[in-house]
Amino acid sequence: SQTIHQWPATLVQPVGSPLSLECTVEGTSNPNLYWYRQAAGRGLQLLFYSVGIGQISSEVPQNLSASRPQDRQFILSSKKLLLSDSGFYLCAWSYGQPTGELFFGEGSRLTVL
Amino acid sequence: AQSVTQLDSHVSVSEGTPVLLRCNYSSSYSPSLFWYVQHPNKGLQLLLKYTSAATLVKGINGFEAEFKKSETSFHLTKPSAHMSDAAEYFCVVSGSDSWGKLQFGAGTQVVVTP
Repeated sequence: SQTIHQWPATLVQPVGSPLSLECTVEGTSNPNLYWYRQAAGRGLQLLFYSVGIGQISSEVPQNLSASRPQDRQFILSSKKLLLSDSGFYLCAWSYGQPTGELFFGEGSRLTVL
Repeated sequence: AQSVTQLDSHVSVSEGTPVLLRCNYSSSYSPSLFWYVQHPNKGLQLLLKYTSAATLVKGINGFEAEFKKSETSFHLTKPSAHMSDAAEYFCVVSGSDSWGKLQFGAGTQVVVTP
C-alpha cells in the first residue's frame, strides 16, 4: 500500500530564518506531488506541483520554493521566512493520471515569530 | 475555469440527527467533484467522489452526496451524526482543464453535540 510521510510535524522559526519541509511517498512510482498551504480559517492554496523529477510548477509567486530531487521526494524551502509564511503545510500525491483524487500527508504546522 | 462555494462555514448538529453540508459549483467542463474531511491538525481524507457515473455517490463513514447538474450542487449528507464526525469538510471541484489542480471550497466546520 501507498504511504506519505511529511516532517517535521511542528516547527517554530524566527523571521528571516531558512525553512525546509520534507515529504516522501512510498509504495508507488512517478507520483504527481503537491504542496498546499492552509492559513487559519481559509481553504487550501496550491503552492507547487510536480509531475516528475526536477519538474516544478509554481502556482503563486511567493517567498517559497520547491524541489524534487528524487522520484518520491518533495521538498519545500525558503531562504528567509516571513511572518506571512505561517500556516499549515500539506504535502499530497496523486497517480499519474487526471483523476483529481489526492492523498494527503499529516501536515506540518509552521509558526514564524 | 471552475469554482466551488460552500454555503455554510459552520454547522452544528446533535448526535444522532442528520447532517447536511451544502456545496455549489461552477465549471466550464464536466466536473469531477469530491468531498474531503479534515480532523484537527491532520491531513485531508477523501470521503467520496463523483466522476460522471451514478449521481448518488456513497462514501466512507455513512456519508453520501448527490450530484445535481440542474442545480449545480453537490450536497453532502449523513442520516445520523456521530461524535467522530466533528471535523472540517471541504467540497472540491476538478475540471478537465485543470488536471491535477483542484479548486477547494473554504470549508464547513461541523460541531456535533451530545
